[in-house]
Amino acid sequence: EVQLVESGGGLVQPGGSLKLSCAASGFTFSGSAMHWVRQASGKGLEWVGRIRSKANSYATAYAASVKGRFTISRDDSKNTAYLQMNSLKTEDTAVYYCTREWFRELLGYYYYYMDVWGKGTTVTVSS
Amino acid sequence: DIQLTQSPSFLSASVGDRVTITCRASQGISSYLAWYQQKPGKAPKLLIYAASTLQSGVPSRFSGSGSGTEFTLTISSLQPEDFATYYCQQLNSYPTFGGGTKVEIK
Repeated sequence: EVQLVESGGGLVQPGGSLKLSCAASGFTFSGSAMHWVRQASGKGLEWVGRIRSKANSYATAYAASVKGRFTISRDDSKNTAYLQMNSLKTEDTAVYYCTREWFRELLGYYYYYMDVWGKGTTVTVSS
Repeated sequence: DIQLTQSPSFLSASVGDRVTITCRASQGISSYLAWYQQKPGKAPKLLIYAASTLQSGVPSRFSGSGSGTEFTLTISSLQPEDFATYYCQQLNSYPTFGGGTKVEIK
């Protein structure tokens, strides 16, 4: 079964740090780009960032709201992706999901989408 | 960044109704659009990618159309399990999501 399991969420004070993990199983993790998406309570989905595979130089990209504070990494030997969150703000409070990016070729074009999602882990930033 | 605007934000409908949700992009994104369904307390679920391709296992009452800047998600006959929030997402550049459309029971 293809599965993603997030962990590491919790309560942290503003200015603090937290590291989330996303353990993958049931598919070839090393070949997949992985994303983090968050959702504040009662709000919509917000893309946080992504890391590509080794074949794509482990390239990372981040939303403007977290750039310079958050870092995504991966350990393919452990089938795990990570989200290191520093200088946390109250507005970072959310459920954090990791997702797998997948793609399909249709008529010569590659279409990407997020087809597998974890159940999420909750991060609360509060004093 | 590419902005996605969904309408309506809220929709009240009855079982059996045909429902259409619109997603407009701030610039052309060809067919690089996906639709997701999210139920309370659950992770989003992929319904459609490439604007109109149904993900495996998704009922055929869901369909998507559009290209460029205007897209629609249609549920041909609303079922009780379809009451949820729906999001569009573009992957033409760094991903962004629409604001969501909550479909509730009339």
